[in-house]
Amino acid sequence: DTEVTQTPKHLVMGMTNKKSLKCEQHMGHRAMYWYKQKAKKPPELMFVYSYEKLSINESVPSRFSPECPNSSLLNLHLHALQPEDSALYLCASSQDQGRGETQYFGPGTRLLVL
Amino acid sequence: KQEVTQIPAALSVPEGENLVLNCSFTDSAIYNLQWFRQDPGKGLTSLLLIQSSQREQTSGRLNASLDKSSGRSTLYIAASQPGDSATYLCAVRRVGSDSWGKLQFGAGTQVVVTP
Repeated sequence: DTEVTQTPKHLVMGMTNKKSLKCEQHMGHRAMYWYKQKAKKPPELMFVYSYEKLSINESVPSRFSPECPNSSLLNLHLHALQPEDSALYLCASSQDQGRGETQYFGPGTRLLVL
Repeated sequence: KQEVTQIPAALSVPEGENLVLNCSFTDSAIYNLQWFRQDPGKGLTSLLLIQSSQREQTSGRLNASLDKSSGRSTLYIAASQPGDSATYLCAVRRVGSDSWGKLQFGAGTQVVVTP
């Protein structure tokens, strides 16, 4: 099973709302990633978790708050977002954060901030 | 700073023709290069991963080559089908303690295969 699942598939939220994106994998991977992808642009890395610890934060604004409650789950908590945060949010996982690992991506959550 | 470029940005071919997609990168200090496929509004599907020590990888109709010294990779798709229509992205994994796990993506090549 090489599947990464993400919920919800679509999310519409106002700028004052608090919402969360969820990502799950059952491949025993110990590295998990959040990417942001704007239309017709490549994905941009936001966060990397390795063995449930935050390993990389690509200077993401604090209105995005990641959480890794266990080795299979990755959350992205959203608060006070801006319309320019509207994008496809992709989760990925790999065996670990090592050099030669394939990253497996989920289908993404399409976020619209009004 | 690593720059990853994919040319052309868009490509349209008739069914049955072979597809040739190019990816170039400016810094040859990479661990590996990965090719992905992305359908509109969907996530990325990993197609092939080439380690820096390898010259090519093959999977079915797909063949990817890597020339690290010249900073180039090519993805060949033989006998294209309408179902191959998608955006194809390449991504490199840079060497460096600050880039563990980080993929640097190209902007992608949008492919349309016409019946």
